[in-house]
Amino acid sequence: SAVISQKPSRDICQRGTSLTIQCQVDSQVTMMFWYRQQPGQSLTLIATANQGSEATYESGFVIDKFPISRPNLTFSTLTVSNMSPEDSSIYLCSVAPTGAGTGELFFGEGSRLTVL
Amino acid sequence: GDSVTQMEGPVTLSEEAFLTINCTYTATGYPSLFWYVQYPGEGLQLLLKATKADDKGSNKGFEATYRKETTSFHLEKGSVQVSDSAVYFCALPSGSARQLTFGSGTQLTVLP
Repeated sequence: SAVISQKPSRDICQRGTSLTIQCQVDSQVTMMFWYRQQPGQSLTLIATANQGSEATYESGFVIDKFPISRPNLTFSTLTVSNMSPEDSSIYLCSVAPTGAGTGELFFGEGSRLTVL
Repeated sequence: GDSVTQMEGPVTLSEEAFLTINCTYTATGYPSLFWYVQYPGEGLQLLLKATKADDKGSNKGFEATYRKETTSFHLEKGSVQVSDSAVYFCALPSGSARQLTFGSGTQLTVLP
């Protein structure tokens, strides 16, 4: 298993600003994932963050908008840049711990961003 | 690509009622299938899974059977409780990096 802490848990931001979300895991993990959950909708994968290499972004998401850092095996950050109201969402960090089966992911509690 | 389709919600039930949340999938081959649950104010957590056809996953009184003939993985519980109020997501693996594709989610509210 894995315990994941995300900060901030929620924030209200002004249009045009940027916010960095932190994800801390209590154990070393190879793969970390960042998901977005827009109001009333399902989860959409933004990118996969691997330690020591560039993040891999899904279609529709770009590094300039969502830069990701992965400095070590227990930590990652996601920045939401130049925010607009359309970026109001819950952003979730997720990991696949060593030994977990395919599809068995652990999630943080999420960071709820509201952009005014 | 692979996908899952969930019944639209929200679903409101009285305590001790029977619950079914439908999930069908489209996939190449026979992937593992999952149900995740998101309680209010919390992140998602794995509820149950099935790794092959005819498998039944179960946890906390919830069950789901992997049926390849109908490409379905419906979630059921015989008697729901108020504490089961949450959003339920059907999911299957996607991509090459242990990612998941989620269904749209079904909001369940159980009234006392």
